[in-house]
Amino acid sequence: EDQVTQSPEALRLQEGESSSLNCSYTVSGLRGLFWYRQDPGKGPEFLFTLYSAGEEKEKERLKATLTKKESFLHITAPKPEDSATYLCAVQEDQKLVFGQGTRLTINP
Amino acid sequence: DSGVTQTPKHLITATGQRVTLRCSPRSGDLSVYWYQQSLDQGLQFLIQYYNGEERAKGNILERFSAQQFPDLHSELNLSSLELGDSALYFCASSAGGGTEQYFGPGTRLTVT
Repeated sequence: EDQVTQSPEALRLQEGESSSLNCSYTVSGLRGLFWYRQDPGKGPEFLFTLYSAGEEKEKERLKATLTKKESFLHITAPKPEDSATYLCAVQEDQKLVFGQGTRLTINP
Repeated sequence: DSGVTQTPKHLITATGQRVTLRCSPRSGDLSVYWYQQSLDQGLQFLIQYYNGEERAKGNILERFSAQQFPDLHSELNLSSLELGDSALYFCASSAGGGTEQYFGPGTRLTVT
């Protein structure tokens, strides 16, 4: 079965302090890697889909990149409103297999 | 707002009872997925329906069942509830298999 591991489990940054979240995966034939943002008690919010190594997607302060074994979510000059849990998932047949997430806190 | 709606938002019930969770997908989406999220297990896939037919099954307990109706809304039925069934239950929809899934706000189930 496909495996998704996210690191770190939790990350605390100061406002404006850039960093990266990691998602490593083992899958036989990647059909899609997905990033979601989840606020406490809410449903995951779709951010990006990546399909092939070398692909990059950007949205505001977030940029997602993909290699053959891992994906990174780079956050540039974060703001307190970027605080959330960021989930990575890979597609296995019809379903998504999720990692445990990285809980990101941005202090003002 | 993802366009996926779920009712109810919260549900509190006793062990041994049965509940039904309801989901309406985004307009035009034919696929509906159900996921369970608990603190120790993360987001776990339960089942998928596509245009009324079961398409994929995860580690869904035999006490749980689902269906998708002709108007494409879906219901997840949970019976003989146990304390361990307390969790957030999410519905997601997509245009078809292999595309991004959009999640609803979830139903928080508490079994006492």
